[in-house]
Amino acid sequence: KAGVTQTPRYLIKTRGQQVTLSCSPISGHRSVSWYQQTPGQGLQFLFEYFSETQRNKGNFPGRFSGRQFSNSRSEMNVSTLELGDSALYLCASSRDTSYNEQFFGPGTRLTVL
Amino acid sequence: AQSVTQLDSHVSVSEGTPVLLRCNYSSSYSPSLFWYVQHPNKGLQLLLKYTSAATLVKGINGFEAEFKKSETSFHLTKPSAHMSDAAEYFCVVILYNQGGKLIFGQGTELSVKP
Repeated sequence: KAGVTQTPRYLIKTRGQQVTLSCSPISGHRSVSWYQQTPGQGLQFLFEYFSETQRNKGNFPGRFSGRQFSNSRSEMNVSTLELGDSALYLCASSRDTSYNEQFFGPGTRLTVL
Repeated sequence: AQSVTQLDSHVSVSEGTPVLLRCNYSSSYSPSLFWYVQHPNKGLQLLLKYTSAATLVKGINGFEAEFKKSETSFHLTKPSAHMSDAAEYFCVVILYNQGGKLIFGQGTELSVKP
């Protein structure tokens, strides 16, 4: 069974731009969660989607948004990029709820210049 | 509030010696706890999980952890370190009262010397 895939793996953007990251969960998994990882703040929860609905949300500004499609694939979008948005963005999928084991993708490394 | 604290940001051991990575948690109810490992440029992999069954939990790659309620600890151990164990390790608590949100500790970087 294929694991969680994230595209692209690396991105370089400039301040003020927007970016869209994609995550394909493991086949049969319906829950997708997103995390931001930075050296200073560590791993922080962004949001979780289940059956195309946002089920849970972390403490991030409205510039961070996401969505989930009927095939469970998910995208997250960051608008008006700031230097502090430079981070590794990780996606994780689980079968039904995030209570179950979450399987992580390799991440997308976003650099904002 | 529920949280986890990893007591060491960096641990260095020699190959073949024991590994101890420390984690304390705070929770107003019986928590579920996990240890994840992250190798460089890779995603996180679940090592083991505690969900109120046996207090001694065995995971992959020879790792185990013991849940001690009296000490609010969930330390990760391995009897004999291998070079391939060098990675960052995260202790994680799940917040059932917040829809299953995961809260990560700050991480412990494990170095293994030959």
